[in-house]
Amino acid sequence: SQKIEQNSEALNIQEGKTATLTCNYTNYSPAYLQWYRQDPGRGPVFLLLIRENEKEKRKERLKVTFDTTLKQSLFHITASQPADSATYLCALAGSARQLTFGSGTQLTVLP
Amino acid sequence: NAGVTQTPKFRILKIGQSMTLQCTQDMNHNYMYWYRQDPGMGLKLIYYSVGAGITDKGEVPNGYNVSRSTTEDFPLRLELAAPSQTSVYFCASSQGVGGASQETQYFGPGTRLLVL
Repeated sequence: SQKIEQNSEALNIQEGKTATLTCNYTNYSPAYLQWYRQDPGRGPVFLLLIRENEKEKRKERLKVTFDTTLKQSLFHITASQPADSATYLCALAGSARQLTFGSGTQLTVLP
Repeated sequence: NAGVTQTPKFRILKIGQSMTLQCTQDMNHNYMYWYRQDPGMGLKLIYYSVGAGITDKGEVPNGYNVSRSTTEDFPLRLELAAPSQTSVYFCASSQGVGGASQETQYFGPGTRLLVL
């Protein structure tokens, strides 16, 4: 069956460092992958989309890579700030454009 | 633009009761979705719609019904509430299929439902 795993439930890093979050998937051939941010008590907010034929995407301090051979996406936040503390969700879209979400990684950036 | 709005924000139901969760979007999006999110879990797709009059099941549709009579509204109906339906429900919308901007999903603030 299809499975999406995000590397850990919680990740603590020091302010200014680069946070790296991992999303692995099995039994899936996604058309694209998205990353969302979710704050407590709120709905997810879209951050980045990367397609199966793209290797890397950047947006300000955010970078996403997508390796369809390894079946893995890495999400990087450079120069992290306490305001980056949130849960980050990866989501994969198949041919029907339905999204399947991972369970998320809770990131805490310590001042 | 208000984006995606959901009502109510919170509701307590007794087992066997029914209710409708409301969802409205003002972005003229074709696609709309209903998800549920259990504590510590990712979102699971309940139903989705690609346009007015067209709906289809997602991963966990049992116990729910939807309708899409207009582009703006996509209500979710629970007919016989069960404790297993205790969750946070999110509605989302997207423009459709195509470029990244069209496939971005915009989420509402969620409805927290407790079934006792």
